[in-house]
Amino acid sequence: EVQLVESGGGLVQPGGSLRLSCAASGLTFSKFAMTWVRQAPGKGLEWVSVISGDGHTTYYSDSVKGRFTISRDNSKNTLFLQMNSLRADDTAVYYCAKSRGNDPYYYPMDVWGQGTTVTVFS
Amino acid sequence: SYVLTQPPSVSVAPGKTARITCGGDNIGTKSVHWYQQRPGQAPVVVSYYDSDRPSGIPERFSGSNSGNTATLTISSVEAGDEADYYCQVWDSSSDHYVFGTGTKVTVL
Repeated sequence: EVQLVESGGGLVQPGGSLRLSCAASGLTFSKFAMTWVRQAPGKGLEWVSVISGDGHTTYYSDSVKGRFTISRDNSKNTLFLQMNSLRADDTAVYYCAKSRGNDPYYYPMDVWGQGTTVTVFS
Repeated sequence: SYVLTQPPSVSVAPGKTARITCGGDNIGTKSVHWYQQRPGQAPVVVSYYDSDRPSGIPERFSGSNSGNTATLTISSVEAGDEADYYCQVWDSSSDHYVFGTGTKVTVL
């Protein structure tokens, strides 16, 4: 069974940084693109970033580009999201999700973690 | 940027059929996926590649996509189908994933 477990969320002040992790098990991790999706309190799903299976291709939403960096360590089956210059509107539950394919593009996200909460407050 | 529009809410009686629409410019040329999110839980894909159904998802869930509208149909609705539903596509012009605005399904 494929499992994804996020960690690293917490409370941070505006302008601060956090690094989220997503530990994967039960799959050949390097074969699948991975995505971060967030959900602000009471709001809908918002795509954040995606990385290809080999880590060479990354894409970001306009709202986080230049502030967040997605990466992965395929030797440790772990996905990361480095979040810098955090703002109040980054407050959300952050989910990692596995793609059905190696690349981003038209594949669905077929396995999701339970999420980790990031709260940016002053 | 590409926008996907869903009705905020759909109400349906048990045993009836719920239809959730997802509107987007020429969405029929894209591959649409649908996610169910029950309260306090992570999303689960219930339909992908327009009309395919993942293993473990009941046959009551079916998807279609044509023109400017994709539709998720839930037949013989049950109380357990009460959840938020989101459509999603890959927008190749911006290299972005896009989620719909979400629809809350209420079982009366």
